[in-house]
Amino acid sequence: EAEVAQSPRYKITEKSQAVAFWCDPISGHATLYWYRQILGQGPELLVQFQDESVVDDSQLPKDRFSAERLKGVDSTLKIQPAELGDSAMYLCASSLAADYGGTQYFGPGTRLLVL
Amino acid sequence: GENVEQHPSTLSVQEGDSAVIKCTYSDSASNYFPWYKQELGKRPQLIIDIRSNVGEKKDQRIAVTLNKTAKHFSLHITETQPEDSAVYFCAAMIQGAQKLVFGQGTRLTINP
Repeated sequence: EAEVAQSPRYKITEKSQAVAFWCDPISGHATLYWYRQILGQGPELLVQFQDESVVDDSQLPKDRFSAERLKGVDSTLKIQPAELGDSAMYLCASSLAADYGGTQYFGPGTRLLVL
Repeated sequence: GENVEQHPSTLSVQEGDSAVIKCTYSDSASNYFPWYKQELGKRPQLIIDIRSNVGEKKDQRIAVTLNKTAKHFSLHITETQPEDSAVYFCAAMIQGAQKLVFGQGTRLTINP
């Protein structure tokens, strides 16, 4: 069964450093999502792509976060500079068709710790 | 925007008993309601979902009910087993908005 892939699985960095996370969605899934999950809370959407275009980035802290999906397949989420409050799990998800309430499949996540 | 409230935050039941988790949503335009199970250190996994044109859906020991008038939906797990222990998240999607809004999660513990 195809799964969403993410790397790295864990990342420890110091504040003010740059970090990048990678996501490879399920083949054929046009919609890709990046979520942030703080311990003990539900995932919160950061950015949503439809193919290579950003559909929703209203919750993305654009002064320090950026995301791209240049060829409409895999995606990178970057934080520069990282802050202590960025420590969280970063989850990537993909779906076949967002506008039909398409099922979202999650990757294993990248757990970020900022020291 | 949409807001999803989930209760209770923690739930402990005896093995074999039933568990019920409830969620309320704010936007009547929401039309898709999935439930995810997340075990410690693992990815959220879809366990069941329901669309607004259906009032109830069952899959073996798991069922979801939807009350559109009251804007709430519930997850029911019967004959609970130790492997049901996990954090469960409800979510709602507004038609046209194309994004899920998640509840805060319920930590379910099944006591043997």
